[in-house]
Amino acid sequence: DIQMTQSPSFLSASVGDRVTINCKASQNINKYLNWYQQKLGEAPKLLIYNTNNLQTGIPSRFSGSGSGTDYTLTISSLQPEDVATYFCLQHSSRTFGGGTKLELK
Amino acid sequence: EVQLVESGGGLVQPGSSLKLSCVASGFTFSSYNMHWIRQAPKKGLEWIALIYYDSSNKYYADSVKGRFTISRDNSKNTLYLEMNSLRSEDTAMYYCAKGFAYWGQGTLVTVSS
Repeated sequence: DIQMTQSPSFLSASVGDRVTINCKASQNINKYLNWYQQKLGEAPKLLIYNTNNLQTGIPSRFSGSGSGTDYTLTISSLQPEDVATYFCLQHSSRTFGGGTKLELK
Repeated sequence: EVQLVESGGGLVQPGSSLKLSCVASGFTFSSYNMHWIRQAPKKGLEWIALIYYDSSNKYYADSVKGRFTISRDNSKNTLYLEMNSLRSEDTAMYYCAKGFAYWGQGTLVTVSS
């Protein structure tokens, strides 16, 4: 099974900061990686699919990159409404990262 | 607008059974593969089952294989998860998902004596 290691597990940042969250796969996952945002009490929302494709309606401050085993979600300028837990999904063999809880400093 | 509404969760004793439902709207249900995914309290997400659009293939996580059954009724736009021999470790919020793009709000299953 492919394991997904997400880091950091907790992140504190200020409004306007550039934020990066990483997922590392135990083997090459050929860009089959999605990123999700989950706010407290809500369903997860798809942000990025297949590494770098922005889901419709998602603000352009969110972006994704990566290849092989290493993938990154970037928020270019953190906004208060971005406080949430973020997680990655390797959707070929259906394995999730452990999640990153993002809070405002 | 895609909507997925889960129901059927509740508090049950270990060893008992429960059947979850997920009613879909806003898209052609019969054209899409569907998943069940769960999230234990303060834990990460775990994919547990996939059913193809035409029910031709079904896949399960090892943790639920042989105990859980995924099914669908395309005439009713409804996805199901039948859960047998429930264990305390099955306690979680259960989500249905259209592909992996859209998720419902979830239904809570608590297995406890």
